[in-house]
Amino acid sequence: EVQLVESGGGLVQPGGSLRLSCAASGFTSSDHHMDWVRQAPGKGPEWVGRSRNKANSYTTEYAASVKGRFTISRDDSKNSLYLQMNSLKTEDTAVYYCARLSLHSSRSYPNYWGQGTLVTVSS
Amino acid sequence: DIQLTQSPSFLSASVGDRVTITCRASQGISSYLAWYQQKPGKAPNLLIYAASTLQSGVPSRFSGSGSGTEFTLTISSLQPEDFATYYCQQLNSYPITFGQGTRLEIK
Repeated sequence: EVQLVESGGGLVQPGGSLRLSCAASGFTSSDHHMDWVRQAPGKGPEWVGRSRNKANSYTTEYAASVKGRFTISRDDSKNSLYLQMNSLKTEDTAVYYCARLSLHSSRSYPNYWGQGTLVTVSS
Repeated sequence: DIQLTQSPSFLSASVGDRVTITCRASQGISSYLAWYQQKPGKAPNLLIYAASTLQSGVPSRFSGSGSGTEFTLTISSLQPEDFATYYCQQLNSYPITFGQGTRLEIK
């Protein structure tokens, strides 16, 4: 059974840092593109970034709102995905989800999602 | 960036009704569109991908259509568990973007 479990969320002050983890089970994460998506309270989902699979050298893409502040990485030995968040702003407050993508006709679609972890940026 | 505009933003309907939600893209995205259902406190759940392909395990009362800039999600006969918020997402180009959502409530 495919499972994604996020952790690492919490309360952090503006300007601070936090590292989120996404532990995958039931599949080999290096075979799949993986996304981070966030959702601020009462708002719709917002795509944060993508880590392509090992075959694509784990290259990354980021939303403009986080580029230069957030970094996505992986650890194959732990079958895990990470989101390093630096220089956090109050507008980064959200539930953060990781998602596994599956390929269909040249595009990958997020078909499995974790339960999310809440990040609150506040003084 | 590609903007996705969903209509309506709010929809009130009854069990058994047929409902349609529209998603319009600010530029052509071929068929690289997904639809999600989200219930409070839960992650989005993929319903449709590639505009019209039903995700495994999703009831056949859900269907999607469209290409280019206009897409629709149709629920043929609403069930009580379908009352939720629905989002479209384009995966044609970066940055990946979502529509603003359609909240479907019981009349």
